[in-house]
Amino acid sequence: EAGVAQSPRYKIIEKRQSVAFWCNPISGHATLYWYQQILGQGPKLLIQFQNNGVVDDSQLPKDRFSAERLKGVDSTLKIQPAKLEDSAVYLCASSLVMGVVNTEAFFGQGTRLTVV
Amino acid sequence: KQEVTQIPAALSVPEGENLVLNCSFTDSAIYNLQWFRQDPGKGLTSLLLIQSSQREQTSGRLNASLDKSSGRSTLYIAASQPGDSATYLCAVRGNYGQNFVFGPGTRLSVLP
Repeated sequence: EAGVAQSPRYKIIEKRQSVAFWCNPISGHATLYWYQQILGQGPKLLIQFQNNGVVDDSQLPKDRFSAERLKGVDSTLKIQPAKLEDSAVYLCASSLVMGVVNTEAFFGQGTRLTVV
Repeated sequence: KQEVTQIPAALSVPEGENLVLNCSFTDSAIYNLQWFRQDPGKGLTSLLLIQSSQREQTSGRLNASLDKSSGRSTLYIAASQPGDSATYLCAVRGNYGQNFVFGPGTRLSVLP
């Protein structure tokens, strides 16, 4: 079974530039998450999708961050314009829909963003 | 609002020791709890998933327990090896539809 795929693995941009990350979840997983992990901290949820609908985006800085999940499969996360404090690892995860017994979450390798 | 803490923040042990990592959460109304391992510069690898109705789960040298009423989970690692060196994170999922809330992690070093 293929895992969660993310690209790119690394990205360095200057502040005020824009950047986009891509995620392909495990086939059949209806729930998709984007997390931000700042160095030395646990991951923090940015947005959660169920199929192509948003379940929770309460912690997404909507003035600069946006995300979409067209057709309920792949997802992209965009930052525009980037700030220095956006330097972090951006993790994508997927799981089966809630209500199924085994709702284990699987994570991708992450994208390490450095804003200079 | 759910808050998750992990103690200790860092731990260094000699190879072969048994060890326990602790995770505490403030809201006992959880759906499940998951333990992850994270190697430097890498994503998260799932280790064990415990449903709210379960008391423990075992996988190889790993055993995770859950005491929902007291808001605690422990991860027991038997006969530690240098390859176990990593950061261990616990994550709690609330009831239907809620996301995972992570602790800050415990950074483990197993010395040969």
